Amino acid sequence: GDSVTQMEGPVTLSEEAFLTINCTYTATGYPSLFWYVQYPGEGLQLLLKATKADDKGSNKGFEATYRKETTSFHLEKGSVQVSDSAVYFCALTNSNSGYALNFGKGTSLLVTP
Amino acid sequence: EAGVAQSPRYKIIEKRQSVAFWCNPISGHATLYWYQQILGQGPKLLIQFQNNGVVDDSQLPKDRFSAERLKGVDSTLKIQPAKLEDSAVYLCASSLRTGVGDTEAFFGQGTRLTVV
Repeated sequence: GDSVTQMEGPVTLSEEAFLTINCTYTATGYPSLFWYVQYPGEGLQLLLKATKADDKGSNKGFEATYRKETTSFHLEKGSVQVSDSAVYFCALTNSNSGYALNFGKGTSLLVTP
Repeated sequence: EAGVAQSPRYKIIEKRQSVAFWCNPISGHATLYWYQQILGQGPKLLIQFQNNGVVDDSQLPKDRFSAERLKGVDSTLKIQPAKLEDSAVYLCASSLRTGVGDTEAFFGQGTRLTVV
């Protein structure tokens, strides 16, 4: 079945550092790809998405490009802030699973001043 | 607009007891999901409803878990009897459309269950 693999955390960065969180997927057909974020004490919320190959999703300075050739959807941000400290989940939806979100294990990010 | 509401926020029970969780999705959202999130893991789908019908319950442990969505709105998830390995956060989510891959799902804050 479909699956999502994320890099292990926790990731600790200094403020203004460059962030990359790797995400690769295994899926049949043409999945849609998502990054969700969970801030401390809050529920999961959509950060960005991409629905077809070569699409770039972006939001709040974060970007991710849907790469079908490498089955990847890496999350990047040029300059992280303390307020970006959270757990980040890569996920996909696919027609073979009723379009329910299929999540990776999550990557915890801590940004220090 | 109001978000997805879940209750209770926290619950501690002894093993072999029963427990129920409640979810009120965003008004007008046809699709409702229950996920189980064990500490250190990503959320795992337990059951997906479209209106009051079940779309997918293939990962629901049906010997102890049950869920219903009466009138296509609120939903309850029940565990009876609970086991230690059921300790997790139970997340409810809803989305507006079905059969569309890029539809955003909105999540509640979850119910943290501890089984002792």
